[in-house]
Amino acid sequence: DIVVTQSPVSLPVTPGEPASISCRSSQSLLHSNGFNYVDWYLQRPGQSPQLLIYLGSNRAAGVPDRFSGSGSGINYTLKISRVEAEDVGIYYCMQALQPPLTFGGGTKVEIK
Amino acid sequence: QGQLAQSGGEVKKPGASVKVSCKGSGFTFTSYGIGWVRQAPGQGLEWMSWISVYNGKTNYVEKFQGRVTMTIDTSTSTVHMELRSLRFDDTAVYYCARDMLPYKTEASYAMDVWGQGTTVIVSS
Repeated sequence: DIVVTQSPVSLPVTPGEPASISCRSSQSLLHSNGFNYVDWYLQRPGQSPQLLIYLGSNRAAGVPDRFSGSGSGINYTLKISRVEAEDVGIYYCMQALQPPLTFGGGTKVEIK
Repeated sequence: QGQLAQSGGEVKKPGASVKVSCKGSGFTFTSYGIGWVRQAPGQGLEWMSWISVYNGKTNYVEKFQGRVTMTIDTSTSTVHMELRSLRFDDTAVYYCARDMLPYKTEASYAMDVWGQGTTVIVSS
């Protein structure tokens, strides 16, 4: 199984400031079609997870453009250009290349 | 966009079985796959299994194979996930989630529509 590791575990942020979360996989998530099969999800407190980014860098419908995803191979990054209060929650990366799909351990983003 | 509505919370004894339902609406149910993800109290997300409503193919995490059965009822646009031989550490919120892309032959890509979650408590 592909192991996915996220860092940091906790990320205190100041509203208006940028934030960055890293995700590393135990093997490349590059599909033969040229796309990187990594997704990012946000789980706000008390809610179901929601898809933010798919194929490494594509924002899901309705996701603000302050969220961006990048990376290739085994290293990926989720960036928030200017954190807003509504961005608090736990962020998960997930490898979507092959079953069993696997999530990183999560990064808890909270306001300072 | 579509919606997934899950069945209500359950309390079960160790060794029992639980069946969680996931009803789709607002999309062509028979074209998509449905994945199951669980979250133990205070823990992260754990992908469990997947079934294609399109062609019936399934994928499982090895540890759940033999203990999880997924069934499809196209007449009600519902996927059921049964977990048997419940243990205390099966206490969790169970989510169903829809594939972002239709006609998939295995679990992959992204999940863009999520159910509200079903709390399963295993307690003696």
